Amino acid sequence: QKEVEQNSGPLSVPEGAIASLNCTYSDRGSQSFFWYRQYSGKSPELIMFIYSNGDKEDGRFTAQLNKASQYVSLLIRDSQPSDSATYLCAVNPNFGNEKLTFGTGTRLTIIP
Amino acid sequence: DTEVTQTPKHLVMGMTNKKSLKCEQHMGHRAMYWYKQKAKKPPELMFVYSYEKLSINESVPSRFSPECPNSSLLNLHLHALQPEDSALYLCASSRLEGTEAFFGQGTRLTVV
Repeated sequence: QKEVEQNSGPLSVPEGAIASLNCTYSDRGSQSFFWYRQYSGKSPELIMFIYSNGDKEDGRFTAQLNKASQYVSLLIRDSQPSDSATYLCAVNPNFGNEKLTFGTGTRLTIIP
Repeated sequence: DTEVTQTPKHLVMGMTNKKSLKCEQHMGHRAMYWYKQKAKKPPELMFVYSYEKLSINESVPSRFSPECPNSSLLNLHLHALQPEDSALYLCASSRLEGTEAFFGQGTRLTVV
């Protein structure tokens, strides 16, 4: 079983709709969770991080964490063509362990 | 300011060359990382420095040699690389272990 799993996509969403990206992880003791956006040929850009169960909102982005079910999701409201990118979920097993584990990424395409 | 600066942006080197990649951050972060990313794959961790000491080496071949001269700088010395080492090399830093990490723009390395 992979440590961090994401649907590779591609996920196509109409402009203005909500894009929902999901990620599951295997290590129940994981403590910190991150979403990175990566445009083709560019480096990953941190867009959200979450450490506690529940929702965390930042502008059009909402991260949701459910430790009991071992999943973390990212919602993008009012999707824009500029949101088209690969979204990487990353998990740290526990604080004090710097070994960030990435999922394989979900390619998101926003259709104008 | 969440800037991590990497130089050079592009590098072409022969298999007998010696070169170095450089990374700099002035955010006071105490953890710094080297990742390697191949096309359409997630970043793979190579090395972690915490408080200027090497804390993780992910069994990286000795032709890659990291160095952390001070808390703001991270180098990756390259020697006798192989064509399969061609990739995007990413530096990242974070405030503490397990906290959110910020990536530099990367160095696109081609070994010929």
